[in-house]
Amino acid sequence: DQQVKQNSPSLSVQEGRISILNCDYTNSMFDYFLWYKKYPAEGPTFLISISSIKDKNEDGRFTVFLNKSAKHLSLHIVPSQPGDSAVYFCAASARGGADGLTFGKGTHLIIQP
Amino acid sequence: NAGVMQNPRHLVRRRGQEARLRCSPMKGHSHVYWYRQLPEEGLKFMVYLQKENIIDESGMPKERFSAEFPKEGPSILRIQQVVRGDSAAYFCASSPTGTSGWGYEQYFGPGTRLTVT
Repeated sequence: DQQVKQNSPSLSVQEGRISILNCDYTNSMFDYFLWYKKYPAEGPTFLISISSIKDKNEDGRFTVFLNKSAKHLSLHIVPSQPGDSAVYFCAASARGGADGLTFGKGTHLIIQP
Repeated sequence: NAGVMQNPRHLVRRRGQEARLRCSPMKGHSHVYWYRQLPEEGLKFMVYLQKENIIDESGMPKERFSAEFPKEGPSILRIQQVVRGDSAAYFCASSPTGTSGWGYEQYFGPGTRLTVT
């Protein structure tokens, strides 16, 4: 039973354009959401987070949107750069981050030159 | 400010041997989380510890796996009598607080890649 789903295993975007990565969840107890970026043979790197009381959080080129009624969140990267090519994981917490996170399976983002 | 450290980075064990994975959290972080990633899968939570206490071990297999975070020294994830299905990447994360806080990110180490032959 997957509580966090990333339905696109991969996504290809041209350099300079917007990348939109999507994530759906089923557990209404989740109150905190995080996005991580991962390169091969490295650990996940924290990118951005959002609490369930907000619908948007922005940090530089990264913006996360949360639609609680649809149980959906998305990560926007604009403009996309070659170094953004990586696997992106959506993660959720039911205790504000102070518990074991539930991860999606990831989306492999490929930025085309 | 050093990040989360894990060692070894790669570990090869024969079936039936024991594997010990170590994790040193970031300075100032007192909470440690262990996750496992199987090929083509996301990370799966295993156990959450603070110094000398296991807070949540709901993701830990009931047999052969144990974890500790002593008062001094790194957190240890121990796998006894390893089997081929234990081959995976094991990641440790730390955060500056736990049950009394809210909105804290978990920062991950580089992982230990365990191969069971």
